[in-house]
Amino acid sequence: GEQVEQRPPHLSVREGDSAVITCTYTDPNSYYFFWYKQEPGASLQLLMKVFSSTEINEGQGFTVLLNKKDKRLSLNLTAAHPGDSAAYFCADTGGADRLTFGKGTQLIIQP
Amino acid sequence: GALVYQYPRRTICKSGTSMRMECQAVGFQATSVAWYRQSPQKTFELIALSTVNSAIKYEQNFTQEKFPISHPNLSFSSMTVLNAYLEDRGLYLCGAREGADTQYFGPGTRLLVL
Repeated sequence: GEQVEQRPPHLSVREGDSAVITCTYTDPNSYYFFWYKQEPGASLQLLMKVFSSTEINEGQGFTVLLNKKDKRLSLNLTAAHPGDSAAYFCADTGGADRLTFGKGTQLIIQP
Repeated sequence: GALVYQYPRRTICKSGTSMRMECQAVGFQATSVAWYRQSPQKTFELIALSTVNSAIKYEQNFTQEKFPISHPNLSFSSMTVLNAYLEDRGLYLCGAREGADTQYFGPGTRLLVL
């Protein structure tokens, strides 16, 4: 079945610096990709949904890049601030109704 | 807009007892409902996928005997954790979608087992 590898598992950056989280996937039929943020004790907050036809997607304070050739998805946080401290999860649909999640990245923003 | 509610938000049960959690879709028709579990310090595992007019599909390591699911209409689903033990603790998420649209997640039910 579909496998999603997410790196790094832990990431610590200084406030104002950038942070990059990367996922690779195996299913060539994957069409939708997602980034979620999970704050401590909370549920999942959808940051961005990416379609395979779009390679660069910009949100508020972050950019999502999709490289279909390498089956790689990345989340780039620019100018990180304390509110960005959380766990981040990538996921794809694998062509079915289910989502396959990466193992998550615990991001800490240091003052 | 599309919203998914889950009840209860947090529950504690004694080891060996059972607890039922509910998922309500508002603003759209939940033609498929997926139940996930996030165990402590881990990612989200799919327990089962329920699609209207189809049999419920359970993932490896999860069974109907342990996690019976009901999906009686296009707005409601429930799942019971039978005979809960320590390894069943975690955050249970309900993800509902209409057709091929985005999957909307509820806030989760956090289960503690004593």
